[in-house]
Amino acid sequence: GDSVTQMEGPVTLSEEAFLTINCTYTATGYPSLFWYVQYPGEGLQLLLKATKADDKGSNKGFEATYRKETTSFHLEKGSVQVSDSAVYFCALQYSSASKIIFGSGTRLSIRP
Amino acid sequence: DTEVTQTPKHLVMGMTNKKSLKCEQHMGHRAMYWYKQKAKKPPELMFVYSYEKLSINESVPSRFSPECPNSSLLNLHLHALQPEDSALYLCASSRTRGGVYNEQFFGPGTRLTVL
Repeated sequence: GDSVTQMEGPVTLSEEAFLTINCTYTATGYPSLFWYVQYPGEGLQLLLKATKADDKGSNKGFEATYRKETTSFHLEKGSVQVSDSAVYFCALQYSSASKIIFGSGTRLSIRP
Repeated sequence: DTEVTQTPKHLVMGMTNKKSLKCEQHMGHRAMYWYKQKAKKPPELMFVYSYEKLSINESVPSRFSPECPNSSLLNLHLHALQPEDSALYLCASSRTRGGVYNEQFFGPGTRLTVL
């Protein structure tokens, strides 16, 4: 079946460091891919998305590229801030289905 | 208006109480969802409503009873809950048309504690 695997956390970085959170997926079809972010005590926010192979999603300095050949959708940011501390979920969803398949989440902590 | 609102923000209830969670959106979305999220876990889908009709029930115990009174509102009625039902309950909505579902927008959640 379809699944999403993301790197174990927590990930701790210093402010202004480069961030990569790895995400790989297994899919029988051609889903859209998403990164959601959950700040402490809040709900999920859609951070970025990509709907087909080679698409790059970007928002707030974060980027991820839909790589079909490596079945990956790694999240990157060039210079993280303390305010980026949150839990990040990689996810996939087929347009014909209402159900989201989430990864397990990666907790990110940024030190000042 | 691009947000999903949920009330209350926090709820503490006993195992014999009856309470309700409320969710509202004014984005014209015709699909609405309830999720349960335990600490350090991703959200788990509970129910999906499409055009005010229940389309998915993920084998949720009957002590959780969803209701979609109109296209903007979604309720979750709670009765005789167990302490293990304590969690963050998230509502979400999305556009849907012709069997196609777009990305979901989530509310801030209701933190439920069952004593």
